[in-house]
Amino acid sequence: AQKVTQAQTEISVVEKEDVTLDCVYETRDTTYYLFWYKQPPSGELVFLIRRNSFDEQNEISGRYSWNFQKSTSSFNFTITASQVVDSAVYFCALSELSTGKLIFGQGTTLQVKP
Amino acid sequence: DGGITQSPKYLFRKEGQNVTLSCEQNLNHDAMYWYRQDPGQGLRLIYYSQIVNDFQKGDIAEGYSVSREKKESFPLTVTSAQKNPTAFYLCASSLDKGTSGGFDNEQFFGPGTRLTVL
Repeated sequence: AQKVTQAQTEISVVEKEDVTLDCVYETRDTTYYLFWYKQPPSGELVFLIRRNSFDEQNEISGRYSWNFQKSTSSFNFTITASQVVDSAVYFCALSELSTGKLIFGQGTTLQVKP
Repeated sequence: DGGITQSPKYLFRKEGQNVTLSCEQNLNHDAMYWYRQDPGQGLRLIYYSQIVNDFQKGDIAEGYSVSREKKESFPLTVTSAQKNPTAFYLCASSLDKGTSGGFDNEQFFGPGTRLTVL
């Protein structure tokens, strides 16, 4: 069965600290896609990144970076120099290619304090 | 502006009533999805549609119904058979199959409808 686990339920940091959100997934597929979404208090999910199983290169986008390690089935997300605006719930998800269904983790609530 | 709209933002329902949540997109996306989110939990798939006039059950379809008569629209009806409908409902859409040959494109989400049963 496919599954996504985000073991950190809540994280609280002080502004400018770096923070890493963990994501571990399970799948029997050889081709799969992983995603990260941000859910601010407004509720709408905002797409952050999409990564396929054949591309293990780390990706950096501004203060955001992602570390994909197939050997440990992990797709971790790091925010460098966190800001109060980063406060949100962050979801990691795995795509079921036959249907497009996203299998979500339970989410990590990040609170960045000034 | 291109995007996904959901209405209403807040909805109150009396027990025994059916209610319909609207979802419209002007992104020309083929696939559309309905997810349910309960407090402190991830999203769970209710129904999805990959093409007009066709839709499939997701993981928690019982007590819900959908239609897909137009590409742009994918309304969700919460029926009286849904025992615990109070939740946050999110609609999403995505392009057709991606480079993998499967549905691997990112999904774009609407702002959501918060349904409360009185």
